[in-house]
Amino acid sequence: DVKVTQSSRYLVKRTGEKVFLECVQDMDHENMFWYRQDPGLGLRLIYFSYDVKMKEKGDIPEGYSVSREKKERFSLILESASTNQTSMYLCASSILFSGAYNEQFFGPGTRLTVL
Amino acid sequence: QQQVKQSPQSLIVQKGGISIINCAYENTAFDYFPWYQQFPGKGPALLIAIRPDVSEKKEGRFTISFNKSAKQFSLHIMDSQPGDSATYFCAASMNSGYSTLTFGKGTMLLVSP
Repeated sequence: DVKVTQSSRYLVKRTGEKVFLECVQDMDHENMFWYRQDPGLGLRLIYFSYDVKMKEKGDIPEGYSVSREKKERFSLILESASTNQTSMYLCASSILFSGAYNEQFFGPGTRLTVL
Repeated sequence: QQQVKQSPQSLIVQKGGISIINCAYENTAFDYFPWYQQFPGKGPALLIAIRPDVSEKKEGRFTISFNKSAKQFSLHIMDSQPGDSATYFCAASMNSGYSTLTFGKGTMLLVSP
C-alpha cells in the first residue's frame, strides 16, 4: 500500500527556533512536494524536488528551505520560525511520469504552531 | 494571481441530494484536471480526474463535467451521503512528469443526514 509518512502530527515551537519537518515515502517516487494548508487559502506549494539533491521553489518559498539527500526523504526547514508560519504542512510524492494521471500521494500532515 | 478559482467555499446538502462544486482556470496550457478529497485529520487523496479530450467522466456517484471553451470544470456528487462530508479541492496542471498541481482554495461539503 502506498505510504507517505510525516515525522510529527503536531508540533509546537517558539519564535526564532529552527524547525525540521520530515517526510518519507516508500513508493520509490521521484517527485516530492511540500505544501502548506490554511483555511480559505487552500493548498499552496512551498518547494518541490524531482530528484535527489534537486529542489525547485514553489509559490511561497520565502522563509523555508528544503533538503533531499535520499530519494525517499524530503525535509522542510524553517530557518527561524515565525508566528505566520503556524499552519498545516503536507508532504506529497508522485512518480516522475505516469503516462496517464500524475497522481500525488499525500501524507497525513503536520500541524505546526509557532508561539 | 490565482489560476484556479473554486466555488462555493462551503456547501450544505441534504442526504440524497446533488452536490455541485465549480472551478474555473485561466491557463490554457493546463491539460489535466483532478479533484482531491480530504477528510478531517487526513491528507488529500485523488478522487477523480479528467483530461480535456472528453467532456465528462463518471466514476460511481462522482462525475466531472468539463467545458474547455469556458475554461470551467465541475464535480457533481449524486445521491450525496453523510460519508461524503469532506473538503474537496479542484486542481489543474500540465500532465508531464515535471509539472506541479495548482489547487483551488477548497470547498467544505457537509451532507446532513
